Amino acid sequence: SAVISQKPSRDICQRGTSLTIQCQVDSQVTMMFWYRQQPGQSLTLIATANQGSEATYESGFVIDKFPISRPNLTFSTLTVSNMSPEDSSIYLCSVWTGLGYTFGSGTRLTVV
Amino acid sequence: AQSVTQPDIHITVSEGASLELRCNYSYGATPYLFWYVQSPGQGLQLLLKYFSGDTLVQGIKGFEAEFKRSQSSFNLRKPSVHWSDAAEYFCAVAPGRGNEKLTFGTGTRLTIIP
Repeated sequence: SAVISQKPSRDICQRGTSLTIQCQVDSQVTMMFWYRQQPGQSLTLIATANQGSEATYESGFVIDKFPISRPNLTFSTLTVSNMSPEDSSIYLCSVWTGLGYTFGSGTRLTVV
Repeated sequence: AQSVTQPDIHITVSEGASLELRCNYSYGATPYLFWYVQSPGQGLQLLLKYFSGDTLVQGIKGFEAEFKRSQSSFNLRKPSVHWSDAAEYFCAVAPGRGNEKLTFGTGTRLTIIP
């Protein structure tokens, strides 16, 4: 199955700044999924990134706040823009491998 | 759209006792079903999955789950829990085609007492 390298693993950021999270997959995949896990909560899908087209955002998430790039079939980035303490969460990327879903190890973001 | 319900927010069991975590899903066709475990500060680990075929699936760490279409359920079981099983457990559902979004339940936190 696919292996995902996600970075950074954690960061502490000042409010009002932006952070870009990267996911590199060791094989080509059509879809990449970005999730948020707020403290003590479950995982919620932010958006689905398909190479060559605009990402599809779930209700409650907007492109201006969470811009996504998908330049090729093995790489994607998620930016958390104009951060506030409410953005403190774990962010994970995921791909479908044909046998199931593989997740990155997550980015633990703290906004101060 | 699919949805998942995990009715138990928190369960406490004694070490060595049996365990059953409940999961009910809503989806119009046959879904793909998953159970994941997340230990504190750790990433998600897949315990088991159901795509088709035998409705009783075996997973890692001695876990099993049974798909019951008539009840729209996919409950997770373990005959004898170990202290190391203390974690958060998530049930998840995806359309039975793969490569589409995975919807998670709210999770069940498992506490093990000696």
